[in-house]
Amino acid sequence: AQTVTQSQPEMSVQEAETVTLSCTYDTSESDYYLFWYKQPPSRQMILVIRQEAYKQQNATENRFSVNFQKAAKSFSLKISDSQLGDAAMYFCAYLNYGGSQGNLIFGKGTKLSVKP
Amino acid sequence: GAVVSQHPSRVICKSGTSVKIECRSLDFQATTMFWYRQFPKQSLMLMATSNEGSKATYEQGVEKDKFLINHASLTLSTLTVTSAHPEDSSFYICSARDPGGPGEKLFFGSGTQLSVL
Repeated sequence: AQTVTQSQPEMSVQEAETVTLSCTYDTSESDYYLFWYKQPPSRQMILVIRQEAYKQQNATENRFSVNFQKAAKSFSLKISDSQLGDAAMYFCAYLNYGGSQGNLIFGKGTKLSVKP
Repeated sequence: GAVVSQHPSRVICKSGTSVKIECRSLDFQATTMFWYRQFPKQSLMLMATSNEGSKATYEQGVEKDKFLINHASLTLSTLTVTSAHPEDSSFYICSARDPGGPGEKLFFGSGTQLSVL
């Protein structure tokens, strides 16, 4: 069974600085997707970024980028120029490629605080 | 982008009553929908997978007779918490899979906070 581990329950960053959130996963599959979701106090799940395992190039979305290390099964999220609105719970998630069910497997989350 | 509507956003009920939560995909046909439960300061836990026109698949430990799931159309799935008790109080979130286009597309509803008195 696949598992996702986020080893940082809480992280803090100064506004405008950069922070990296860690995520590791375990799977025997070769094709899969990885995601970072943001859950602000409203509790709405917001997709931040996604990565297809077959792509070697790291995904980037504006201030958000990932460091995907397939061999190490590592998928960290880097937030550059942190903003107050980035404060939220961040969940790393795994999804089998082409899975008939398509359910996400989530890590336990990292609570990010942004200091003004 | 695709939108998933979930209602109600908050419900308070008395112990022993049943509560229905709706999850609708507004601009795509969702062949598969998922129901999650989230306790305070915890991650999302998958409860069940709902496929249109067939019985839901429940995760281990989830009581199918307590959490009734119906996926009667390609745009609507409902979760009914039957005979709710205080321990059922939680945040429930649905997500829907958009099978159209390349890649995997999963969209989340805004969640329902259930409080059972």
